[in-house]
Amino acid sequence: AQKITQTQPGMFVQEKEAVTLDCTYDTSDQSYGLFWYKQPSSGEMIFLIYQGSYDEQNATEGRYSLNFQKARKSANLVISASQLGDSAMYFCAMSSKAAGNKLTFGGGTRVLVKP
Amino acid sequence: KAGVTQTPRYLIKTRGQQVTLSCSPISGHRSVSWYQQTPGQGLQFLFEYFSETQRNKGNFPGRFSGRQFSNSRSEMNVSTLELGDSALYLCASSFDSGTSGYEQYFGPGTRLTVT
Repeated sequence: AQKITQTQPGMFVQEKEAVTLDCTYDTSDQSYGLFWYKQPSSGEMIFLIYQGSYDEQNATEGRYSLNFQKARKSANLVISASQLGDSAMYFCAMSSKAAGNKLTFGGGTRVLVKP
Repeated sequence: KAGVTQTPRYLIKTRGQQVTLSCSPISGHRSVSWYQQTPGQGLQFLFEYFSETQRNKGNFPGRFSGRQFSNSRSEMNVSTLELGDSALYLCASSFDSGTSGYEQYFGPGTRLTVT
């Protein structure tokens, strides 16, 4: 079984500062993928970044980077230079080769960016 | 390229009724997954369809069913609605050539309220 844990239910961040969102995972599969999604109040889930279990480099997408520490089973999301529009719920999720496209989600972290 | 579309966006039903939700994936995507999001249970996987076949199924009662058409559009049906079925239902599409790790793109969701 797969499990995703996000221990930060909510956090404030000052505009233009960086913020790190924690995510730990548990799986017995060797081949898996880790995802981060953003969900604004409108409800739509917006794909941010992906890291494969065999990827040696940490994934980056613009202001988003994923700090992947395989031995610790963590996949933290770093948002640099926070903007007011970054205020949203953020979900960490994983899939595995065995589970196909099924995503297992964490409980989410609500981020509020202060001006 | 158009994104994932879901109809209707909002729906109000009464207990005991049934409901059908529709999802049109991104052009070229063959995999469609459905998720239920509630404040209490978070995001939970319902099922996945690939090339008109259910490929994976979550832990939901048989009242929840789905199908996929030859153009990859998918519908999910919930029969004998219960109050606890009130949720945001999200559909996600993926390109999926058969291996894991493909990003899933979500639609805006259908917010179902059961009274």
